[in-house]
Amino acid sequence: AQSVTQPDIHITVSEGASLELRCNYSYGATPYLFWYVQSPGQGLQLLLKYFSGDTLVQGIKGFEAEFKRSQSSFNLRKPSVHWSDAAEYFCAVGWGKLQFGAGTQVVVTP
Amino acid sequence: DGGITQSPKYLFRKEGQNVTLSCEQNLNHDAMYWYRQDPGQGLRLIYYSQIVNDFQKGDIAEGYSVSREKKESFPLTVTSAQKNPTAFYLCASNVVLGSQEQFFGPGTRLTVL
Repeated sequence: AQSVTQPDIHITVSEGASLELRCNYSYGATPYLFWYVQSPGQGLQLLLKYFSGDTLVQGIKGFEAEFKRSQSSFNLRKPSVHWSDAAEYFCAVGWGKLQFGAGTQVVVTP
Repeated sequence: DGGITQSPKYLFRKEGQNVTLSCEQNLNHDAMYWYRQDPGQGLRLIYYSQIVNDFQKGDIAEGYSVSREKKESFPLTVTSAQKNPTAFYLCASNVVLGSQEQFFGPGTRLTVL
């Protein structure tokens, strides 16, 4: 069965510290992979996407993600977190019709 | 500017009433989607449509209905058969062939009293 797992429901990080959000998937073939961010009461905004090629992809707002086929993972990273990065982050996989993880809530402390 | 609009932002209805949520896109996208979002459950697909006059059930279609009479519009009706309709509803769209990236509207928060 196809699935997307974000193991961390909630992460607290200090401003200026690094952030890594995990995403693992189970799919028949390597799907399209996405990370989205959602501020409270808003829609989702695409941070980055992976289809093929270089397994390290750069996105907006200083985020990057690394695709590891052997681990079926697509983890999101940011070297230095800003207070404005506090939000909920969703990993999504699929072909056209996407399957979303349950999300990771990120809290940024001063 | 191209994008997806959803209206209204907030919607209140009495239990037992049907309610229709609007979703319009001017991105010329073929496919449109409706998701329901509840705390801690991520996004769950209700219905999707890849072409005008055709649509498919998603994972939680019971108690919902849709239509796709125009490419740019994909309204969702929450019927009285939906047992727990209070939620945040998101509409999205993408091209059928291409990057697969879905673009999202701002959402409608429905509260059934």
